[in-house]
Amino acid sequence: DSGVTQTPKHLITATGQRVTLRCSPRSGDLSVYWYQQSLDQGLQFLIQYYNGEERAKGNILERFSAQQFPDLHSELNLSSLELGDSALYFCASSVGQVYEQFFGPGTRLTVL
Amino acid sequence: SQQGEEDPQALSIQEGENATMNCSYKTSINNLQWYRQNSGRGLVHLILIRSNEREKHSGRLRVTLDTSKKSSSLLITASRAADTASYFCATDAKKDSSYKLIFGSGTRLLVRP
Repeated sequence: DSGVTQTPKHLITATGQRVTLRCSPRSGDLSVYWYQQSLDQGLQFLIQYYNGEERAKGNILERFSAQQFPDLHSELNLSSLELGDSALYFCASSVGQVYEQFFGPGTRLTVL
Repeated sequence: SQQGEEDPQALSIQEGENATMNCSYKTSINNLQWYRQNSGRGLVHLILIRSNEREKHSGRLRVTLDTSKKSSSLLITASRAADTASYFCATDAKKDSSYKLIFGSGTRLLVRP
């Protein structure tokens, strides 16, 4: 158990819908990262927050947004969902920026 | 494009044998990390090696780093069926004041009992 929790574990929704994925980092970790893992794209970095502020952006679509709240939990919002958004979404946390990351169990999103 | 690329893409060995996976990257790094992922589960951090280190050990794991060749290798000795998983290298990419990990495409290791 990494100490990082993600909810929900599974999510099935339809195209055009909007969903919110939630992540609670390990106690004491200030950095939260979001990744998307699909069969054809591999593990793609989406976005990073550090102590409530956005720090780095990766291949995150404009339809996606995220935030980190004062209690350090984070949410990833995916809107206008398309079939291609079906993937595993992972959250990870770390103490700072240049350290090992601890991954949550992931949320499996299926868009029908 | 991927910063790190693992080789081979897939590896099948007998229990008890050693498994070696390689990672090549493109730009200079501060550190390189190796992660393991069991099917459909979250990644687990294995080891971090800094750019000024050449070799690091952790239990049955040995990681080497050659910054002149921009490559790293992960050796798992005396493999067990439980080592069956995908293994990813990850390199840091720093831009301005931000920092992110770029993961390779992974090596799928199958250890046959």
